[in-house]
Amino acid sequence: GDSVTQMEGPVTLSEEAFLTINCTYTATGYPSLFWYVQYPGEGLQLLLKATKADDKGSNKGFEATYRKETTSFHLEKGSVQVSDSAVYFCALKLRGATNKLIFGTGTLLAVQP
Amino acid sequence: SQTIHQWPATLVQPVGSPLSLECTVEGTSNPNLYWYRQAAGRGLQLLFYSVGIGQISSEVPQNLSASRPQDRQFILSSKKLLLSDSGFYLCAWTGQGVSYEQYFGPGTRLTVT
Repeated sequence: GDSVTQMEGPVTLSEEAFLTINCTYTATGYPSLFWYVQYPGEGLQLLLKATKADDKGSNKGFEATYRKETTSFHLEKGSVQVSDSAVYFCALKLRGATNKLIFGTGTLLAVQP
Repeated sequence: SQTIHQWPATLVQPVGSPLSLECTVEGTSNPNLYWYRQAAGRGLQLLFYSVGIGQISSEVPQNLSASRPQDRQFILSSKKLLLSDSGFYLCAWTGQGVSYEQYFGPGTRLTVT
């Protein structure tokens, strides 16, 4: 079935370090891909998205490229800040009327000063 | 602009008691609506979704139910709570169309004691 696999966390980095959170997917169709972020005690916020192969989503210094050949959508940031500490979810959405999202299990990022 | 509300923000209920969580969306019409549960340290599990008034689809068998009495109102209920129902409940909405992303509410923290 359709699924999303994220790297296990937690990921602990020092401020200004480079971040990569891996995400791969399995889908029967041609999905749209998303990264959501959840700050402590809050709901999810959309961070970035890509709707077709080779699209690059970007926001707040984060980037992810839709790689159809490797079925991946890895999240990257060149220099993390303490304020980036949160849980990051990769998700896919299949084309169809319901617009359901399939989420990965989430990756906790902890950035230390 | 569109906003999504959930209440209550936190809830502590004894085992066997009933549950009613409410979600409302403002600033849009005919949204798709979703209920997710996030157990401690786990990812998001889609519980129910609705593409219109009175139309509810269940993703997992459980003692929870959902209803959509109005276009922008989505209610999650239970007649008798179980300990395993504890978690963070998130409501989300999306517009119609392939590329619309989901927008999440602030969530309800439910603790069943």
